[in-house]
Amino acid sequence: KQEVTQIPAALSVPEGENLVLNCSFTDSAIYNLQWFRQDPGKGLTSLLLIQSSQREQTSGRLNASLDKSSGRSTLYIAASQPGDSATYLCAVLLGGGGFKTIFGAGTRLFVKA
Amino acid sequence: DTAVSQTPKYLVTQMGNDKSIKCEQNLGHDTMYWYKQDSKKFLKIMFSYNNKELIINETVPNRFSPKSPDKAHLNLHINSLELGDSAVYFCASSQGQGSSPLHFGNGTRLTVT
Repeated sequence: KQEVTQIPAALSVPEGENLVLNCSFTDSAIYNLQWFRQDPGKGLTSLLLIQSSQREQTSGRLNASLDKSSGRSTLYIAASQPGDSATYLCAVLLGGGGFKTIFGAGTRLFVKA
Repeated sequence: DTAVSQTPKYLVTQMGNDKSIKCEQNLGHDTMYWYKQDSKKFLKIMFSYNNKELIINETVPNRFSPKSPDKAHLNLHINSLELGDSAVYFCASSQGQGSSPLHFGNGTRLTVT
């Protein structure tokens, strides 16, 4: 059974810091991994999607890496800003019929001005 | 021009009632989903439809019945509501069964009293 774990559960940093959010999954047989952002009272916004054949994806100040063999992904946020404050979730897409997406519990990030 | 819209945003009702949540996407996607986010913020898939056909049906009580009249709509009907049904329900869509990014609606907060 696939389990997705995110560490830390919460993180508070001063503005301008570079930071890393971690995601681990127990079964390496995934099709892709996505990082999402969720603001309070809102839905999830897809930030980056890494296919299983890829090692990383970049978008602006965000960089996500994927190491399937070790079951790990990181989301790197450069030069953090107060507007980055949100909950960040990672999710893996399973195959094997059904294509289910399994989510981690998220990391709550607070960037202090 | 909201991509995935769901209504209502808030729903407060009493135990035993029947209620529906509607979802529409204007992205031209062929796959739609219902997710449940509980009080601990865990997001779990409930149903997935691809081209109006049920693909994923997690172990959800049969009081929950999804209906997809066309590719752009996936509604969720809940019979005999229980206290434990209180949660935020998210609709999402994607092109293909998850190989492209998931697009989420803003959620429906259901409170059963």
